[in-house]
Amino acid sequence: DAKTTQPTSMDCAEGRAANLPCNHSTISGNEYVYWYRQIHSQGPQYIIHGLKNNETNEMASLIITEDRKSSTLILPHATLRDTAVYYCIVRGLTSGTYKYIFGTGTRLKVLA
Amino acid sequence: DTGVSQNPRHKITKRGQNVTFRCDPISEHNRLYWYRQTLGQGPEFLTYFQNEAQLEKSRLLSDRFSAERPKGSFSTLEIQRTEQGDSAMYLCASYSGGADTEAFFGQGTRLTVV
Repeated sequence: DAKTTQPTSMDCAEGRAANLPCNHSTISGNEYVYWYRQIHSQGPQYIIHGLKNNETNEMASLIITEDRKSSTLILPHATLRDTAVYYCIVRGLTSGTYKYIFGTGTRLKVLA
Repeated sequence: DTGVSQNPRHKITKRGQNVTFRCDPISEHNRLYWYRQTLGQGPEFLTYFQNEAQLEKSRLLSDRFSAERPKGSFSTLEIQRTEQGDSAMYLCASYSGGADTEAFFGQGTRLTVV
């Protein structure tokens, strides 16, 4: 089972920051938080990941709380092309492999 | 483009037929996953390869499913005697290291069993 909980859906106005929350209260010390998104009928696209420090790249920022039990993905200036399902995944060694266990994600709709 | 490539992108087959999908991972990646995704759900893990060795199989991978990765390069996923419940998107992903290394997904093969 997925180790994360996300809201089912969110709306965001174009040009505004989109803040997508994720709870992962059972995360272990050596497990990473990963974010992917999936635009309709395409494969998941990697966005960002982190262990305990906040991370930023050209796509997004990842804020992880100090206790690591939750995180927030921030898209600083959302565009219509950011409309997608966003998956928050806790990734660690499970049955000998570093596989991703996906939940149902958050459906983000960016509104014009 | 040096990303993960999957072929075919779409496959329609009649129930009972066999189908085979191919995945070409990023060339320097020695680890490869197969996932299945049905409508409205997140991808579900099917199997994992490290080089040519298949190290883990999900219980979703019934005996009608077989995956190979000869010589640790491309991989194939075969479904024998397809059923309507096999209709889904089949995704492949590859990566090169441990938990701190992101995997890259292909665009998937959408299978429709009629």
